Amino acid sequence: EAEVAQSPRYKITEKSQAVAFWCDPISGHATLYWYRQILGQGPELLVQFQDESVVDDSQLPKDRFSAERLKGVDSTLKIQPAELGDSAMYLCASSAHGQGGNEQFFGPGTRLTVL
Amino acid sequence: QQQVKQSPQSLIVQKGGISIINCAYENTAFDYFPWYQQFPGKGPALLIAIRPDVSEKKEGRFTISFNKSAKQFSLHIMDSQPGDSATYFCAARRNKLIFGTGTLLAVQP
Repeated sequence: EAEVAQSPRYKITEKSQAVAFWCDPISGHATLYWYRQILGQGPELLVQFQDESVVDDSQLPKDRFSAERLKGVDSTLKIQPAELGDSAMYLCASSAHGQGGNEQFFGPGTRLTVL
Repeated sequence: QQQVKQSPQSLIVQKGGISIINCAYENTAFDYFPWYQQFPGKGPALLIAIRPDVSEKKEGRFTISFNKSAKQFSLHIMDSQPGDSATYFCAARRNKLIFGTGTLLAVQP
């Protein structure tokens, strides 16, 4: 069964350092999402890609966060510099299309701890 | 207007019982209401979903009840099993998914 792959699964870093997360969506899925899930809360959308184009990054803290999906396949989310409040689970999801009620398939996430 | 309010925060149910989780929303432009199930260390997985033109949807032991006039929807898990123990999130979509805060369900054997 096809799955969304994410790495690393866990990342511990010190504040002010740079971190990067990688996501490989299900093959053929044009839409890719990055979510942040703070402990005890639901996922919050950070950025949505349609192929290689950003569709929605309204909740992405652009002063420190960046995301790219250069060839419209895998994607990288970067934080520089990391702050204590960035500690959370970062989830990647993909879907065949961005609308139409298409199911989003989530990866296992990267748990980030900022010390 | 973009919030989805979910209750209860946690729920303990005996094996074989009915688990009920409730969600409420304000934005009448939401057009799709999914429920996700998340186990520890895993990403959320779609459980069941409904559109606002339907009042009820059932898939196996899982049922969504939808009340458009009250702007509320709920998940019912019949014959709850220990394997159902997980965190459940409701969500609503208007261009993007807005998730509730989650309900931690524990089904005791």
